[in-house]
Amino acid sequence: EDQVTQSPEALRLQEGESSSLNCSYTVSGLRGLFWYRQDPGKGPEFLFTLYSAGEEKEKERLKATLTKKESFLHITAPKPEDSATYLCAVQGSNAGKSTFGDGTTLTVKP
Amino acid sequence: KAGVTQTPRYLIKTRGQQVTLSCSPISGHRSVSWYQQTPGQGLQFLFEYFSETQRNKGNFPGRFSGRQFSNSRSEMNVSTLELGDSALYLCASSIDSSTNEKLFFGSGTQLSVL
Repeated sequence: EDQVTQSPEALRLQEGESSSLNCSYTVSGLRGLFWYRQDPGKGPEFLFTLYSAGEEKEKERLKATLTKKESFLHITAPKPEDSATYLCAVQGSNAGKSTFGDGTTLTVKP
Repeated sequence: KAGVTQTPRYLIKTRGQQVTLSCSPISGHRSVSWYQQTPGQGLQFLFEYFSETQRNKGNFPGRFSGRQFSNSRSEMNVSTLELGDSALYLCASSIDSSTNEKLFFGSGTQLSVL
Protein backbone atom coordinates (compact mmCIF):
# COMPACT_ATOMS: atom_id res chain seq x y z
CA GLU A 1 0.00 0.00 0.00
CA ASP A 2 1.28 3.46 -0.93
CA GLN A 3 2.24 5.67 2.01
CA VAL A 4 3.18 9.34 2.35
CA THR A 5 4.57 10.98 5.49
CA GLN A 6 5.08 14.72 5.73
CA SER A 7 7.16 16.63 8.26
CA PRO A 8 7.00 18.81 10.17
CA GLU A 9 3.25 18.96 10.89
CA ALA A 10 3.51 22.71 11.45
CA LEU A 11 6.18 25.28 10.66
CA ARG A 12 6.31 28.89 11.78
CA LEU A 13 8.74 31.19 9.98
CA GLN A 14 9.57 34.85 10.02
CA GLU A 15 9.20 36.65 6.72
CA GLY A 16 12.39 36.09 4.74
CA GLU A 17 13.46 33.00 6.75
CA SER A 18 14.02 30.16 4.27
CA SER A 19 13.22 26.53 5.12
CA SER A 20 12.24 23.14 3.70
CA LEU A 21 9.28 20.80 3.98
CA ASN A 22 9.80 17.05 3.75
CA CYS A 23 7.70 14.34 2.09
CA SER A 24 8.78 10.71 2.53
CA TYR A 25 7.02 8.10 0.44
CA THR A 26 6.76 4.42 -0.32
CA VAL A 27 4.96 3.54 -3.51
CA SER A 28 4.71 0.66 -5.92
CA GLY A 29 5.80 2.00 -9.28
CA LEU A 30 5.94 5.78 -8.89
CA ARG A 31 4.03 7.45 -11.72
CA GLY A 32 4.23 10.94 -10.24
CA LEU A 33 4.74 12.91 -7.03
CA PHE A 34 2.59 16.01 -6.62
CA TRP A 35 2.70 19.07 -4.40
CA TYR A 36 -0.48 21.00 -3.66
CA ARG A 37 -1.24 24.09 -1.62
CA GLN A 38 -4.46 24.33 0.39
CA ASP A 39 -5.83 27.55 1.86
CA PRO A 40 -8.49 27.47 4.62
CA GLY A 41 -11.96 26.77 3.26
CA LYS A 42 -10.68 25.82 -0.18
CA GLY A 43 -9.69 22.71 -2.07
CA PRO A 44 -6.03 21.90 -2.77
CA GLU A 45 -4.40 23.79 -5.62
CA PHE A 46 -1.75 22.15 -7.80
CA LEU A 47 1.86 23.37 -7.52
CA PHE A 48 4.26 20.81 -9.04
CA THR A 49 4.58 17.32 -10.52
CA LEU A 50 7.85 15.40 -10.28
CA TYR A 51 8.33 12.12 -12.13
CA SER A 52 11.84 10.82 -11.51
CA ALA A 53 14.68 11.06 -8.99
CA GLY A 54 16.86 14.10 -9.56
CA GLU A 55 14.10 16.18 -11.07
CA GLU A 56 13.56 19.75 -9.81
CA LYS A 57 10.78 22.27 -10.47
CA GLU A 58 10.62 25.95 -9.46
CA LYS A 59 7.86 28.52 -9.17
CA GLU A 60 8.50 31.92 -7.64
CA ARG A 61 9.79 31.28 -4.08
CA LEU A 62 9.11 27.54 -4.20
CA LYS A 63 11.39 24.76 -5.42
CA ALA A 64 10.50 21.06 -5.35
CA THR A 65 13.07 18.27 -5.55
CA LEU A 66 12.75 14.48 -5.72
CA THR A 67 14.87 11.51 -4.65
CA LYS A 68 13.97 7.82 -4.69
CA LYS A 69 12.53 8.00 -1.17
CA GLU A 70 11.56 11.60 -0.49
CA SER A 71 10.74 15.00 -1.86
CA PHE A 72 11.51 18.42 -0.49
CA LEU A 73 9.67 21.68 -0.96
CA HIS A 74 12.13 24.50 -0.41
CA ILE A 75 10.73 27.93 0.40
CA THR A 76 13.12 30.82 -0.16
CA ALA A 77 12.52 34.16 1.56
CA PRO A 78 8.86 33.40 2.30
CA LYS A 79 6.18 36.07 2.54
CA PRO A 80 3.01 36.05 4.69
CA GLU A 81 0.95 35.15 1.60
CA ASP A 82 2.83 31.83 1.45
CA SER A 83 1.02 30.79 4.64
CA ALA A 84 -1.04 27.67 3.80
CA THR A 85 -1.08 23.91 4.19
CA TYR A 86 1.21 22.15 1.73
CA LEU A 87 0.20 18.65 0.70
CA CYS A 88 2.31 15.97 -0.94
CA ALA A 89 0.71 13.14 -2.93
CA VAL A 90 1.88 10.15 -4.96
CA GLN A 91 0.34 8.21 -7.82
CA GLY A 92 1.58 4.64 -8.03
CA SER A 93 0.70 1.64 -10.11
CA ASN A 94 -2.93 1.98 -9.06
CA ALA A 95 -3.81 4.50 -11.73
CA GLY A 96 -6.45 7.03 -10.84
CA LYS A 97 -5.70 7.02 -7.11
CA SER A 98 -3.59 9.64 -5.38
CA THR A 99 -2.32 8.97 -1.85
CA PHE A 100 -1.89 12.13 0.21
CA GLY A 101 0.20 12.97 3.23
CA ASP A 102 -1.34 14.82 6.17
CA GLY A 103 0.30 18.07 5.11
CA THR A 104 2.54 20.73 6.63
CA THR A 105 0.84 23.90 7.84
CA LEU A 106 3.13 26.83 7.17
CA THR A 107 2.70 30.16 8.94
CA VAL A 108 4.86 33.10 7.86
CA LYS A 109 4.89 36.05 10.24
CA PRO A 110 5.65 39.57 8.95
CA LYS B 1 -12.79 28.19 -18.02
CA ALA B 2 -14.99 27.34 -15.04
CA GLY B 3 -13.41 25.30 -12.26
CA VAL B 4 -14.74 22.27 -10.44
CA THR B 5 -18.10 23.05 -8.86
CA GLN B 6 -19.39 21.24 -5.79
CA THR B 7 -22.84 21.62 -4.31
CA PRO B 8 -24.00 22.17 -1.70
CA ARG B 9 -21.21 24.04 0.08
CA TYR B 10 -22.47 23.18 3.56
CA LEU B 11 -24.78 20.45 4.78
CA ILE B 12 -26.11 19.50 8.21
CA LYS B 13 -27.69 16.09 8.69
CA THR B 14 -28.61 13.82 11.58
CA ARG B 15 -27.47 10.28 12.24
CA GLY B 16 -29.24 7.67 10.13
CA GLN B 17 -30.10 10.03 7.30
CA GLN B 18 -28.62 9.82 3.82
CA VAL B 19 -27.00 12.54 1.75
CA THR B 20 -26.14 13.17 -1.89
CA LEU B 21 -23.30 15.46 -2.93
CA SER B 22 -22.82 16.78 -6.44
CA CYS B 23 -19.73 17.59 -8.49
CA SER B 24 -19.42 19.22 -11.91
CA PRO B 25 -15.92 18.77 -13.35
CA ILE B 26 -14.02 21.14 -15.60
CA SER B 27 -15.32 20.97 -19.16
CA GLY B 28 -13.49 18.25 -21.07
CA HIS B 29 -12.36 16.37 -17.96
CA ARG B 30 -13.57 12.78 -17.93
CA SER B 31 -12.10 11.59 -14.62
CA VAL B 32 -13.70 12.50 -11.30
CA SER B 33 -12.29 11.48 -7.92
CA TRP B 34 -13.75 11.91 -4.46
CA TYR B 35 -11.80 12.42 -1.25
CA GLN B 36 -12.75 12.73 2.40
CA GLN B 37 -10.75 15.23 4.45
CA THR B 38 -10.75 15.25 8.25
CA PRO B 39 -8.31 16.86 10.70
CA GLY B 40 -7.25 13.46 12.05
CA GLN B 41 -7.03 11.42 8.85
CA GLY B 42 -6.07 13.93 6.20
CA LEU B 43 -7.22 13.33 2.63
CA GLN B 44 -8.57 9.81 2.14
CA PHE B 45 -9.40 8.45 -1.32
CA LEU B 46 -13.01 7.34 -1.75
CA PHE B 47 -13.36 6.41 -5.43
CA GLU B 48 -12.64 7.47 -8.97
CA TYR B 49 -14.87 7.43 -12.02
CA PHE B 50 -13.90 7.60 -15.66
CA SER B 51 -16.39 7.55 -18.52
CA GLU B 52 -19.23 6.52 -16.17
CA THR B 53 -17.27 3.54 -14.78
CA GLN B 54 -15.84 3.23 -11.29
CA ARG B 55 -12.18 2.57 -11.92
CA ASN B 56 -10.81 2.69 -8.36
CA LYS B 57 -12.22 2.39 -4.88
CA GLY B 58 -10.74 3.23 -1.50
CA ASN B 59 -11.21 1.49 1.83
CA PHE B 60 -14.59 2.87 2.81
CA PRO B 61 -17.71 0.93 3.78
CA GLY B 62 -20.45 0.22 1.26
CA ARG B 63 -22.50 3.09 2.71
CA PHE B 64 -20.37 5.32 0.50
CA SER B 65 -21.28 5.09 -3.16
CA GLY B 66 -21.06 7.19 -6.25
CA ARG B 67 -21.87 7.45 -9.90
CA GLN B 68 -20.91 9.41 -12.95
CA PHE B 69 -23.20 10.60 -15.69
CA SER B 70 -22.59 10.80 -19.43
CA ASN B 71 -21.72 14.51 -19.13
CA SER B 72 -18.99 13.57 -16.57
CA ARG B 73 -20.89 15.12 -13.67
CA SER B 74 -20.68 12.96 -10.58
CA GLU B 75 -22.66 12.37 -7.44
CA MET B 76 -21.63 10.78 -4.18
CA ASN B 77 -24.11 9.24 -1.77
CA VAL B 78 -23.67 8.34 1.88
CA SER B 79 -26.42 6.29 3.49
CA THR B 80 -27.14 5.73 7.18
CA LEU B 81 -24.96 8.63 8.26
CA GLU B 82 -22.73 8.26 11.32
CA LEU B 83 -21.14 10.97 13.46
CA GLY B 84 -17.74 9.99 12.06
CA ASP B 85 -18.84 10.89 8.56
CA SER B 86 -18.54 14.57 9.45
CA ALA B 87 -15.85 15.85 7.10
CA LEU B 88 -15.00 17.98 4.11
CA TYR B 89 -15.77 16.03 0.94
CA LEU B 90 -13.64 17.07 -1.98
CA CYS B 91 -14.18 16.32 -5.62
CA ALA B 92 -11.32 16.51 -8.10
CA SER B 93 -11.29 16.25 -11.87
CA SER B 94 -8.65 15.59 -14.49
CA ILE B 95 -8.58 14.83 -18.19
CA ASP B 96 -7.63 11.24 -17.41
CA SER B 97 -6.02 10.53 -14.05
CA SER B 98 -4.39 7.32 -15.29
CA THR B 99 -1.91 9.43 -17.27
CA ASN B 100 -0.29 11.10 -14.24
CA GLU B 101 -2.52 14.12 -14.55
CA LYS B 102 -2.65 16.74 -11.85
CA LEU B 103 -5.95 17.04 -10.04
CA PHE B 104 -8.18 20.11 -10.03
CA PHE B 105 -10.17 20.31 -6.82
CA GLY B 106 -13.45 21.94 -5.98
CA SER B 107 -13.93 23.87 -2.74
CA GLY B 108 -15.67 20.90 -1.16
CA THR B 109 -18.87 20.16 0.69
CA GLN B 110 -18.61 20.51 4.46
CA LEU B 111 -20.85 17.81 5.96
CA SER B 112 -21.78 17.92 9.62
CA VAL B 113 -23.61 14.93 11.12
CA LEU B 114 -25.40 15.63 14.40
